[in-house]
Amino acid sequence: QEKVQQSPESLIVPEGAMSSLNCTFSNSASQSIWWYQQHPGKGPEALISIFSNGNKKEGRLTVYLNRASLHVSLHIRDSQPSDSAVYLCAVRDSGTYQRFGTGTKLQVVP
Amino acid sequence: GGIITQTPKFLIGQEGQKLTLKCQQNFNHDTMYWYRQDSGKGLRLIYYSITENDLQKGDLSEGYDASREKKSSFSLTVTSAQKNEMAVFLCASSINRQSQNTLYFGAGTRLSVL
Repeated sequence: QEKVQQSPESLIVPEGAMSSLNCTFSNSASQSIWWYQQHPGKGPEALISIFSNGNKKEGRLTVYLNRASLHVSLHIRDSQPSDSAVYLCAVRDSGTYQRFGTGTKLQVVP
Repeated sequence: GGIITQTPKFLIGQEGQKLTLKCQQNFNHDTMYWYRQDSGKGLRLIYYSITENDLQKGDLSEGYDASREKKSSFSLTVTSAQKNEMAVFLCASSINRQSQNTLYFGAGTRLSVL
């Protein structure tokens, strides 16, 4: 069974800084990885996904996937107070469904 | 675009009570999911449904029943609420069960058991 772990548990960064979030998973055959953003009282919303080794950039977001080290990271450039939320990493292999980590709570302070 | 509507938003129950949560989606998605979110434990899958009248157990199915009588709706029943239980139940859908499909979530039902 896929295990997904996220670090750090919480992160405080100043406005304009880079936020870096980490996620490790247990199955190198995992095919698909997503990052979701969840604001208080709301459901998670998909931000960015990656399906092959390497990196992917969308706007202020960059995700890096290294299957050999079972590690994926999300970097948010020029962090804004509106980015303050819980970020969830989700991993799926071919046969089942997305499994989620416990989340990183990001706070961006002005 | 579409939306996932979960009812009720808040649910307060008594120990031992059977409680039903409902979910409707207008994306016309084939696959629907019920996840449970506990503080500090992330999201755990209870049940999912590949299509109408299909049910598949997730990692946390014990103590729950589910029903998918229509493509657009998916309901979850807590068969016997546990005292002091507090959790958020999240419904989600995806186009189908292909591995690269994104999940779309509702806002959740917040359960408290007295």
